[in-house]
Order: sequence, then structure tokens, then C-alpha cells
Amino acid sequence: ETGVTQSPTHLIKTRGQQVTLRCSSQSGHNTVSWYQQALGQGPQFIFQYYREEENGRGNFPPRFSGLQFPNYSSELNVNALELDDSALYLCASSHQQAGGGHEQFFGPGTRLTVL
Amino acid sequence: AQSVSQHNHHVILSEAASLELGCNYSYGGTVNLFWYVQYPGQHLQLLLKYFSGDPLVKGIKGFEAEFIKSKFSFNLRKPSVQWSDTAEYFCAAGPGSGTYKYIFGTGTRLKVLA
Repeated sequence: ETGVTQSPTHLIKTRGQQVTLRCSSQSGHNTVSWYQQALGQGPQFIFQYYREEENGRGNFPPRFSGLQFPNYSSELNVNALELDDSALYLCASSHQQAGGGHEQFFGPGTRLTVL
Repeated sequence: AQSVSQHNHHVILSEAASLELGCNYSYGGTVNLFWYVQYPGQHLQLLLKYFSGDPLVKGIKGFEAEFIKSKFSFNLRKPSVQWSDTAEYFCAAGPGSGTYKYIFGTGTRLKVLA
């Protein structure tokens, strides 16, 4: 069973640029969530995708956007990068089912540095 | 507002000492609770989870946690820590249904001295 993978591992961008981060979900999982983990903080929920539709969003501006593909992999896009966007971006996959809680499995993250 | 609080930001223990890390949550409705661990250079791994039933939950590597609904707490415990338990520990809360987003605490860095 393949776990959650993310690419790239590290990325350096400058202010104003755009970035795309990628995530392959764990086999059998239909839901992908993205989190931002700033240094010294816990992960903060950005948004979630279920069956290719955004299924909830945290307190992040519209320049953070995403996609989920038919194979359940996902992209996180950030436009007009700001210095404060420097963080570890985590992808988590899970299998959503009716009426019950479910656990999320996290990937290793992409370390984004904005200069 | 939904929130998760972890009281201890840094904890230093000697091997064989007992561990208790505090976690309190504020969450409307049915809540699912989790403890994750992040070893140096590795990704977040699930230690244990509580969905319903027995409030004393046992996880991997000898960890356990107790859900106390009246205190809105889900503290993590281990009777005897090892050097290999050095890591950062995160408490998280999620809803019982609906958009499944986790609220994480700020984490506790545990250092175990050999």
C-alpha cells in the first residue's frame, strides 16, 4: 500500500510568483485535505476536496486554490506569493464515509520558502 | 470558536520517567480526537484516536489517552518514556461528520534524555 506522497520536497520562490504543489493520496482514499504549518505552529486547515469538489475551506484567501483529479490526486495553487506564505504544506488523505469519523494520513510535506 | 490547546510547549524528561501531555478542546457537536507525533525529519504519524466508546484509548508504542468529556480534555500519557520518544506531539480535533477538517494544537516538543 502506497502512502501519501507530495512533490516537490522543497521549493524557493520570490514574492508575487505563483506556485503549484502536488499530492498523491493513499490508495483507496477519496478525500484530500491541505494544511499549512508555519514554523513553531500546528497545521492549519486550508481546504478539503471530495470527489473533485471543494468540500470546506479554512480561513485562507482566494489566492489559495486547489484541484482534485479523478484519480483523487490533488494540487494546491498559491498565487501572488507573500513572505508569510513560507511554511510546510501538508497534504492528508482519508476515506470519507457517511455518518462516521475518519482519520487522515499525512504526507511528508512541501517546504515552501518565499524570498 | 473551535480550538485545541496544548499547555506544554516544551517538555524535557529523563528516560523511564512518566509522561503526561495536556490537551483541551473547544468544539461544538460530536468531536473526534487524535494525537499525532512528528519525529525529527519525518511526517506526521497517528499515535491514537478517539471516535466513541471507551474513553481510555490505547495507541501505538505504549501511548494512551483519556477522553474526559466534562473537562473537554484528551491528555496523552506514557508510563515510561524512551529516548526514541523525542519528537513533537500534536493534539487534533475533528467533527463527527461533515467537512472533515482537523483543528490542531500548537504542539509539544518532547526531549527525552538518555
